Amino acid sequence: DTGVSQDPRHKITKRGQNVTFRCDPISEHNRLYWYRQTLGQGPEFLTYFQNEAQLEKSRLLSDRFSAERPKGSFSTLEIQRTEQGDSAMYLCASSLGDRPYEQYFGPGTRLTVT
Amino acid sequence: AQRVTQPEKLLSVFKGAPVELKCNYSYSGSPELFWYVQYSRQRLQLLLRHISRESIKGFTADLNKGETSFHLKKPFAQEEDSAMYYCALRAGTSYGKLTFGQGTILTVHP
Repeated sequence: DTGVSQDPRHKITKRGQNVTFRCDPISEHNRLYWYRQTLGQGPEFLTYFQNEAQLEKSRLLSDRFSAERPKGSFSTLEIQRTEQGDSAMYLCASSLGDRPYEQYFGPGTRLTVT
Repeated sequence: AQRVTQPEKLLSVFKGAPVELKCNYSYSGSPELFWYVQYSRQRLQLLLRHISRESIKGFTADLNKGETSFHLKKPFAQEEDSAMYYCALRAGTSYGKLTFGQGTILTVHP
């Protein structure tokens, strides 16, 4: 296991298009997190899954954003009708259930909306 | 709502000098505080947590509830310490959400 993986690493899209990102966590980790990071800022929490259940969502996650983890393994984050303000690095992290503070981060997907 | 503030975006020191990266937080409950680090071309990773009270790579951090601070310190900086450092907070009511500060870029000159 090489750690958390994310695909794609880079995505350029036009305003108004939909995009979907994938995250594959470390296999034995049952918790999965999505964060968004803009230039000069730290990661901002978007949402969290325990197994397939989405247990926490940030108010940052507008109705254009949806995340799923259908089988409790990989997760997808979809952004509909993208806006230029959505341009950011989208980070995925995973952790063991009894160590939620020790989050293992993926390399991120950099989204550019033109 | 919780907030983490790292007042310094950039910090430069020479090798062998002491270093202190500042972190202040606001949270009405009992928080858990952490330092995460991102070395060049690597992923964000946990450096240390306040509960463990460990020294990791020579770094220590003490939670000061009176001053609501969690500063990261190292008595003798090394060039390999150059990285981006993020202070993070987990609220007691949260399953795992981390609130991060803006980060401090530490550069250790030879």
